[in-house]
Amino acid sequence: AQSVTQPDIHITVSEGASLELRCNYSYGATPYLFWYVQSPGQGLQLLLKYFSGDTLVQGIKGFEAEFKRSQSSFNLRKPSVHWSDAAEYFCAVARGSTLGRLYFGRGTQLTVWP
Amino acid sequence: NAGVMQNPRHLVRRRGQEARLRCSPMKGHSHVYWYRQLPEEGLKFMVYLQKENIIDESGMPKERFSAEFPKEGPSILRIQQVVRGDSAAYFCASSPPPGTGSYNEQFFGPGTRLTVL
Repeated sequence: AQSVTQPDIHITVSEGASLELRCNYSYGATPYLFWYVQSPGQGLQLLLKYFSGDTLVQGIKGFEAEFKRSQSSFNLRKPSVHWSDAAEYFCAVARGSTLGRLYFGRGTQLTVWP
Repeated sequence: NAGVMQNPRHLVRRRGQEARLRCSPMKGHSHVYWYRQLPEEGLKFMVYLQKENIIDESGMPKERFSAEFPKEGPSILRIQQVVRGDSAAYFCASSPPPGTGSYNEQFFGPGTRLTVL
């Protein structure tokens, strides 16, 4: 069965500091990988996605993520965090090329100190 | 192009009542997904629908829950005889048909927050 693990429930960083949010997945074949961001009371916005090709993916708002097959990981990074990045971040996995259900991690809540 | 629309945004029901949640997908999107988010948890898949067809309902509770996506009109998630444990945020997502741009990306609505008293 597919599963997604986000080991960090809550992360606090200072504004301007670098950020890395961890995501590990369990899936036999090459997955489709996503990172979403959710602001309080809002829906989910797609930050970036990986399907194939270059394992370093660039997204919106200065975020990037790297797919590492050997580690079954898809960690999200940002070199310099802004206060507006405070939100909850979800990693998600889909199976293969036929998009159906997404499997979500439980999320990482990011707090940014000024 | 308007995004995915959900209404109501907030819904309060007493135990035993029915809850109807509506989702209008983005224009041109023919696939709809429903997810439930319990407090302190990630989103859990419930059901995947195309117009007039349920593709995958493996995440739907066996009783009291149903979903439809008619030929015309929004998708409806219906919860009969609600209980306190149904209190959650319910999110709808949509995607375009296969073969079109971004067909493998789901676009999410703002959610409906259901509170059962």
